[in-house]
Amino acid sequence: GAVVSQHPSWVICKSGTSVKIECRSLDFQATTMFWYRQFPKQSLMLMATSNEGSKATYEQGVEKDKFLINHASLTLSTLTVTSAHPEDSSFYICSAPRTGVGRAGANVLTFGAGSRLTVL
Amino acid sequence: SQQGEEDPQALSIQEGENATMNCSYKTSINNLQWYRQNSGRGLVHLILIRSNEREKHSGRLRVTLDTSKKSSSLLITASRAADTASYFCATAKPSGSARQLTFGSGTQLTVLP
Repeated sequence: GAVVSQHPSWVICKSGTSVKIECRSLDFQATTMFWYRQFPKQSLMLMATSNEGSKATYEQGVEKDKFLINHASLTLSTLTVTSAHPEDSSFYICSAPRTGVGRAGANVLTFGAGSRLTVL
Repeated sequence: SQQGEEDPQALSIQEGENATMNCSYKTSINNLQWYRQNSGRGLVHLILIRSNEREKHSGRLRVTLDTSKKSSSLLITASRAADTASYFCATAKPSGSARQLTFGSGTQLTVLP
């Protein structure tokens, strides 16, 4: 089945530093990947859509310069939290549409395990 | 704002009992999906039901969809302690784009051994 690998699974950094999170599709190609943010006991909020070979599409209210997304290949998307501050502490999850599951398969998402960011 | 609202927010049952979670949504959909999330982990797709389907089964899971009421339910039969997790419904708009998958607020299920 489709597998998405995300790392690091957790990271602690000092305020003002930048943190990069990687999301890889291991056994399939993903021209599109999605980045979500999740606060404790809350739902997922879509931050941006990562597109291979082109610029990411950000949701309203998400700072493009704060959350840099690069989709360099068909299997790798990265999210860089720049100049991180304590309010950026959160659980970040990536996902990619699963293919080959029929016409409705384009809607089904395979998720990475998530990355917990703590900014001190 | 979230498309899907789920209830209850939290549910605690004994092992062996059935667990029912409900999801309501506001706009027309192409399909509705249920995902499971273990604490501190990513989401795992459980089941998808299309807008022209009314009921679907997968193992111990039973999903119903009532498009007239814009609601869905997820039933887990003969629950096990390992079913303890958060469950989210997600709706896809008629355009069918994965970008338009919107997640509900989630139900935290605890199955007591």
